[in-house]
Amino acid sequence: SAVISQKPSRDICQRGTSLTIQCQVDSQVTMMFWYRQQPGQSLTLIATANQGSEATYESGFVIDKFPISRPNLTFSTLTVSNMSPEDSSIYLCSVFGRVDEQYFGPGTRLTVT
Amino acid sequence: GENVEQHPSTLSVQEGDSAVIKCTYSDSASNYFPWYKQELGKGPQLIIDIRSNVGEKKDQRIAVTLNKTAKHFSLHITETQPEDSAVYFCAASKGYQKVTFGTGTKLQVIP
Repeated sequence: SAVISQKPSRDICQRGTSLTIQCQVDSQVTMMFWYRQQPGQSLTLIATANQGSEATYESGFVIDKFPISRPNLTFSTLTVSNMSPEDSSIYLCSVFGRVDEQYFGPGTRLTVT
Repeated sequence: GENVEQHPSTLSVQEGDSAVIKCTYSDSASNYFPWYKQELGKGPQLIIDIRSNVGEKKDQRIAVTLNKTAKHFSLHITETQPEDSAVYFCAASKGYQKVTFGTGTKLQVIP
């Protein structure tokens, strides 16, 4: 299994500001995934982060709004830029194990006022 | 792309009864079907999964069945306990790079 930690666990931010979320994994992984879970909703993939290359974004998500860094095989950051109340969500980091099982971090609960 | 439908959206059962959650998927090429439990304030936790070459899998009180012909799979929880109360998500994928999640089922187990 993989143990994933995220910082911060929650934050309340003002409109127009940015927040960087950190994700740390206890083992080296090729790909890390960032998801958004809006209140009471399912999980939506934002982007896939590979070490040493630019992240791949899903339809509806752009790099200017959600820049991602992946400096090494155990760490990644997601920044939510120029926030609006619509960005209030839980942001989840995820990795895959050796046999396709997927693990999630505890999430970062973001509220934008 | 893949589309996963999940029913019911909410489910209330008496403690000790069984709970069944059903999902259908659209892409016949999907070959991996995990189930996740998400408790309040936590990330989703994998509880059981099944691959397309297996029809049923059990783990203590939890079982999952897969009907590839009908493209549906189900989660069965027997002898439910209050700690089973959570939101459950099904998912379908073709390999590990593209996972599509269902809309979630909020299960309430009434003591």
